[in-house]
Amino acid sequence: KAGVTQTPRYLIKTRGQQVTLSCSPISGHRSVSWYQQTPGQGLQFLFEYFSETQRNKGNFPGRFSGRQFSNSRSEMNVSTLELGDSALYLCASSLARDRISPLHFGNGTRLTVT
Amino acid sequence: GDSVTQMEGPVTLSEEAFLTINCTYTATGYPSLFWYVQYPGEGLQLLLKATKADDKGSNKGFEATYRKETTSFHLEKGSVQVSDSAVYFCALSPKTSYDKVIFGPGTSLSVIP
Repeated sequence: KAGVTQTPRYLIKTRGQQVTLSCSPISGHRSVSWYQQTPGQGLQFLFEYFSETQRNKGNFPGRFSGRQFSNSRSEMNVSTLELGDSALYLCASSLARDRISPLHFGNGTRLTVT
Repeated sequence: GDSVTQMEGPVTLSEEAFLTINCTYTATGYPSLFWYVQYPGEGLQLLLKATKADDKGSNKGFEATYRKETTSFHLEKGSVQVSDSAVYFCALSPKTSYDKVIFGPGTSLSVIP
């Protein structure tokens, strides 16, 4: 069974640009969550989608948005990039939205903003 | 709100040493508890979990016991290997299915030969 796939693995963008990251969850998983990982802030929750609906949202500005498609694939978009958006963005899928199903992570997209 | 606290490290151990990484949590009700591991250049992967008090999760020689009375879920391994060098994250999944998973700050472990 294929794992969570994130594309691209690396991105270099300039301040003010926008970027779209993609995530394909494990087949059958309907919940997709996004996290930002930085050395200083650790893992910060961005948002979670289930059945194409955003179920939870972290404390990030409106420049960060996402969506989920009917096949459970998800994308996140960051507009008007800032230097501080440089981070590893991790996507995780889960079989169900319950308290016992673990998260399955992709290897992330490394975004560098110059 | 719910939170997870863990020793941040870095922790450096010699091969075959005993490992303990402390994790304590604050939560209402009875969350599920997890340990995830992140190897260099990779995403996180589940190491072990426990879903109720006194449960012991175990995997690859690692163990952790869900202690409700001390709100703790300490990770232990009797003899670490160089290949265990990674960052370890303690996490909790709140009692309701509608709340996000909460991660600790991560503990970096380096095992030297």
